[in-house]
Amino acid sequence: LAKTTQPISMDSYEGQEVNITCSHNNIATNDYITWYQQFPSQGPRFIIQGYKTKVTNEVASLFIPADRKSSTLSLPRVSLSDTAVYYCLVGDNSGYSTLTFGKGTMLLVSP
Amino acid sequence: EAGVAQSPRYKIIEKRQSVAFWCNPISGHATLYWYQQILGQGPKLLIQFQNNGVVDDSQLPKDRFSAERLKGVDSTLKIQPAKLEDSAVYLCASSPGQLRDTQYFGPGTRLTVL
Repeated sequence: LAKTTQPISMDSYEGQEVNITCSHNNIATNDYITWYQQFPSQGPRFIIQGYKTKVTNEVASLFIPADRKSSTLSLPRVSLSDTAVYYCLVGDNSGYSTLTFGKGTMLLVSP
Repeated sequence: EAGVAQSPRYKIIEKRQSVAFWCNPISGHATLYWYQQILGQGPKLLIQFQNNGVVDDSQLPKDRFSAERLKGVDSTLKIQPAKLEDSAVYLCASSPGQLRDTQYFGPGTRLTVL
């Protein structure tokens, strides 16, 4: 399973763009990159998933360079409610392979 | 669409006692996961079911933990006997069982072992 490395914590202010980078040097050809968000006292929630280049949805963007050894989750104009732990996971999650959660990145958004 | 349901939400027991958690996945989801999340850490997979068969239980402490998924729907996770280090949040998740699945998590059960 590909191992991921993320910053332990990040600080930001309301209205700023936040970029969280994840390193996954031994990502396999079939692996996808998935990001989850977890608020206190809740289970993780899916944010975005991608394979290469750029993916965008109503919540975030995911940038993946050509070598796929890293990825960056971009949160535009964060608010206080974006304070959470963000996990980067790598795998094909085919139902017969599992995704491994690391410690994630604790994002604190201040007024 | 109803989400993943778990009960109880909180449980306090003394060490060496037994405890059971229940999970009802999203209707139609073939894959069900149980995770253990210790404070300050990411969720750790304990067991994964595909329908009612076990796909991965390599990190399940089988001397004290057991899980079943009868009829491929609901699932129970049991700890017998509990240890202090079992204090954690136990999360259940489900997914359709397809390639590049999204996992949908329940609210979790917070277990405190005294």
